Amino acid sequence: DVKVTQSSRYLVKRTGEKVFLECVQDMDHENMFWYRQDPGLGLRLIYFSYDVKMKEKGDIPEGYSVSREKKERFSLILESASTNQTSMYLCASSTPRVGDQPQHFGDGTRLSIL
Amino acid sequence: AQSVTQLGSHVSVSEGALVLLRCNYSSSVPPYLFWYVQYPNQGLQLLLKYTSAATLVKGINGFEAEFKKSETSFHLTKPSAHMSDAAEYFCAVSVAGGYQKVTFGIGTKLQVIP
Repeated sequence: DVKVTQSSRYLVKRTGEKVFLECVQDMDHENMFWYRQDPGLGLRLIYFSYDVKMKEKGDIPEGYSVSREKKERFSLILESASTNQTSMYLCASSTPRVGDQPQHFGDGTRLSIL
Repeated sequence: AQSVTQLGSHVSVSEGALVLLRCNYSSSVPPYLFWYVQYPNQGLQLLLKYTSAATLVKGINGFEAEFKKSETSFHLTKPSAHMSDAAEYFCAVSVAGGYQKVTFGIGTKLQVIP
């Protein structure tokens, strides 16, 4: 079974802090994704990566950056946290087939910015 | 561009009753369609997927969905609801040719009444 592990289930940070969310997958997947989930808005794609050191902006990249130095690890960085970034963050991974492969999700990190 | 619309952000059914969760999609090319389930404080898990092999797709936990091109729909059904089905359900669409970018609906919360 694919395992996607997010380093923290709950995180509380202060406005202006630099925040790192870590995600590791154990199935050698090329694609990795970061989403945020908000009530009434569903899942919105922040960034995705299709290979080591490669990244593409999703629908809401402002205020975020990512890092993928190793295939199994994909980090989301909040450069200067703000209260409107309080949310549930979900990491996912998938194989690089052309669209018919499901994404495998971690359990999420619930981030609160005070 | 692809999109998906889930009708009804909250659905309540009695235990043992039919479950029907609605999803309509928009896509300029043949789509791949997915249903995911999210239990409280967990990530998303794949319930089933449509990849053009068969229009009626069976998934886990007794769920199934039917792809209807003429109606651009992919509704999720289960003949008899169980208390353990209470969760949030997401419909999603992707297409061939990209980096497997998936567009998610806003989700439908299913409540099962004893």
